[in-house]
Amino acid sequence: KAGVTQTPRYLIKTRGQQVTLSCSPISGHRSVSWYQQTPGQGLQFLFEYFSETQRNKGNFPGRFSGRQFSNSRSEMNVSTLELGDSALYLCASSPQVQETQYFGPGTRLLVL
Amino acid sequence: GENVEQHPSTLSVQEGDSAVIKCTYSDSASNYFPWYKQELGKRPQLIIDIRSNVGEKKDQRIAVTLNKTAKHFSLHITETQPEDSAVYFCAASNPGGPYNTDKLIFGTGTRLQVFP
Repeated sequence: KAGVTQTPRYLIKTRGQQVTLSCSPISGHRSVSWYQQTPGQGLQFLFEYFSETQRNKGNFPGRFSGRQFSNSRSEMNVSTLELGDSALYLCASSPQVQETQYFGPGTRLLVL
Repeated sequence: GENVEQHPSTLSVQEGDSAVIKCTYSDSASNYFPWYKQELGKRPQLIIDIRSNVGEKKDQRIAVTLNKTAKHFSLHITETQPEDSAVYFCAASNPGGPYNTDKLIFGTGTRLQVFP
């Protein structure tokens, strides 16, 4: 099976802009979780989707949002970008909730 | 709130020695504890995990132990090799949200360097 894929792999934006990141889970996986990875804060949970429903959410401001489509693909959106949003954004998929998660390669976002 | 502490932040060992990384968690409801290895520029990859009904699990040179009473778990790597050099993350499940499903809370990572 193909692994988790994320697009784009790299992105440069300026403050105030918005960005949409995409994640395609492993075929048959229905749960998708998103994480933000920064050198200072490590891996932080953003949200989890299962069957198009957001089932859990981390402690991020409302500028961070997401959704999941009927084919389990997921997108996350960050509006009004701030310099501190520069990070590696990772998604992970699992067959069901509360099972082993498999990570994608990540999207590296740089906000100037 | 939920928290996972991981120590040490860096660890240097000689090839062939053992390496131990320790994590403590705050939520007594946590019941799933995976360990991920992240090589430079690559995605985190699961190397071993343990559930709360088991005290120890081993897979070749890697083992994980869990002490639910003390709320800590550890990764043990024996006979280390240079290719074990990477950042290792522990994580603990944290149930919550309207559906009471788990999210993973990660430790801050341990950079392991294995010198030939």
